[in-house]
Amino acid sequence: DTGVSQDPRHKITKRGQNVTFRCDPISEHNRLYWYRQTLGQGPEFLTYFQNEAQLEKSRLLSDRFSAERPKGSFSTLEIQRTEQGDSAMYLCASSLAGGPNQETQYFGPGTRLLVL
Amino acid sequence: SQKIEQNSEALNIQEGKTATLTCNYTNYSPAYLQWYRQDPGRGPVFLLLIRENEKEKRKERLKVTFDTTLKQSLFHITASQPADSATYLCALDISAAGNKLTFGGGTRVLVKP
Repeated sequence: DTGVSQDPRHKITKRGQNVTFRCDPISEHNRLYWYRQTLGQGPEFLTYFQNEAQLEKSRLLSDRFSAERPKGSFSTLEIQRTEQGDSAMYLCASSLAGGPNQETQYFGPGTRLLVL
Repeated sequence: SQKIEQNSEALNIQEGKTATLTCNYTNYSPAYLQWYRQDPGRGPVFLLLIRENEKEKRKERLKVTFDTTLKQSLFHITASQPADSATYLCALDISAAGNKLTFGGGTRVLVKP
């Protein structure tokens, strides 16, 4: 499968713990995005990378959230000191800037986080 | 701030009929608008993109219209099938620089056999 993959698919944690999610984009894609989605809502933008550079971060994103894409390939999203309000589906997407369909984002299956 | 509205009520439709979904937006003039499909527990899947200079776009049984004066897009599924049952999301790029998509809340479609 050459699509976007995310790991883990599900995560249950206790409040106050740290969690880290991984996203592997489509291999030739240079842009990578993180979104958060709660039940009944559309995905909400968190941050995005072009290659290894983090170009934008949502103002809604707490300082407890950090994302990296060290080699311009896979990315990690870490949430420190999790709170119950962090419970959501975390979606990763990738795209190819400069390509013929550069506006199209390809989403992974998501990581569902439950904070108890 | 940018607001994208989709009908939050589920759309129940009989197989074979046409489903029509609405996406309204405010406070922005997007260069294009996209529609995605999302099945429960899965990520969104891209369906169609329509640009501001296009009135209509088709893909198989799907049709999208884009009225920049009304700030509205309509999404049609013709000859609907039970397999079309899903949530459909519209999205705009409000950044104009990085494909930062802003999504509507989605409309759930249920096609009954």
